[in-house]
Amino acid sequence: DAKTTQPNSMESNEEEPVHLPCNHSTISGTDYIHWYRQLPSQGPEYVIHGLTSNVNNRMASLAIAEDRKSSTLILHRATLRDAAVYYCILRDSGGGADGLTFGKGTHLIIQP
Amino acid sequence: NAGVMQNPRHLVRRRGQEARLRCSPMKGHSHVYWYRQLPEEGLKFMVYLQKENIIDESGMPKERFSAEFPKEGPSILRIQQVVRGDSAAYFCASSLGLIETQYFGPGTRLLVL
Repeated sequence: DAKTTQPNSMESNEEEPVHLPCNHSTISGTDYIHWYRQLPSQGPEYVIHGLTSNVNNRMASLAIAEDRKSSTLILHRATLRDAAVYYCILRDSGGGADGLTFGKGTHLIIQP
Repeated sequence: NAGVMQNPRHLVRRRGQEARLRCSPMKGHSHVYWYRQLPEEGLKFMVYLQKENIIDESGMPKERFSAEFPKEGPSILRIQQVVRGDSAAYFCASSLGLIETQYFGPGTRLLVL
């Protein structure tokens, strides 16, 4: 899987939007961009994924740059329950090895 | 619709004992993945299995570790002759198929005394 770069930590206030950036300058044409998060003492949880177009679901939105070299996960209204480590992961849709490669992620801190 | 189940949630073993970790995938999922998270580190992929087959074990230590996913029953990650360095959280994930979304279980926290 190609490498991603994320800030180590970010801090936001409750009920405000949060924009979590991810750089993936070496992304290939068949790589999907996936986001997972891991709450304290829990397993990772799928958040969202996309290929080229922006995506929305009940949890978040994913904004993908036109050149696909970066993306941003958007939490529209953060709550204390959103405090977690957020991982941006590239997955090759070409098949073969399918294990996810987790980096260090971004530790999101939510202030009340 | 139950999610991925793992048991036990916590396991304590003494050095030299065997540890068996079980994972029941989500209903209808035939692909299982095992990951390990050492203290203060990120998750590392260990092994990818389909029913009765190991597809990718590139992240599995060569010795003492084995995994299976029989036709009936849960997937098992087995660690023989555990050492203190095996203390970690072990997570299982399942998916409908290759490249499909992986859904994770709550993990088994192994402590080796």
